[in-house]
Amino acid sequence: DSGVTQTPKHLITATGQRVTLRCSPRSGDLSVYWYQQSLDQGLQFLIQYYNGEERAKGNILERFSAQQFPDLHSELNLSSLELGDSALYFCASSVGAGNVRGYTFGSGTRLTVV
Amino acid sequence: ELKVEQNPLFLSMQEGKNYTIYCNYSTTSDRLYWYRQDPGKSLESLFVLLSNGAVKQEGRLMASLDTKARLSTLHITAAVHDLSATYFCAGEETSGSRLTFGEGTQLTVNP
Repeated sequence: DSGVTQTPKHLITATGQRVTLRCSPRSGDLSVYWYQQSLDQGLQFLIQYYNGEERAKGNILERFSAQQFPDLHSELNLSSLELGDSALYFCASSVGAGNVRGYTFGSGTRLTVV
Repeated sequence: ELKVEQNPLFLSMQEGKNYTIYCNYSTTSDRLYWYRQDPGKSLESLFVLLSNGAVKQEGRLMASLDTKARLSTLHITAAVHDLSATYFCAGEETSGSRLTFGEGTQLTVNP
């Protein structure tokens, strides 16, 4: 157990639907990062939150959004889903600036859009 | 913007042989990370390289960092089947900013 918890582990949904992925960071970590891993795009950074605030954005589609709550857990919302959104979605956490513990990844959520 | 490139992308080797995976990055990177991923699984942290000349070893794997050449290597010694996995290197532009990953090297060790 890495200490980063992601739920659900698997999700199957239809095109056009909306889903929410959840991530609880490792104890003491203030930063949460979301990554998408697909066969054709590799590991792509989506978005980072630090202590409740958005810190950086990567290749995140407008149909996707995220937030980090006061208890530091984060949710990634994916809407108007398309077949191409099928991927493994990872959450990682770190202390943030002055990071000496590195980045720890959760086990991922496998999203299948049918 | 930091870019990270790995080579080779696919590596098939025999048990007992040695090989090196290379990781080049485009701009100054605070740290260089190596991760292992088994199919459908999460990313397992292998090494964190903090400074120029850093060398770390764990079992049959050894990682090094040359910041002047913007190059990190992951050396595999006397490979065994259990090392079959995909290996990623990743850099961060500033501490805690985020990781930028290479494409990954899919390693297959054949008996």
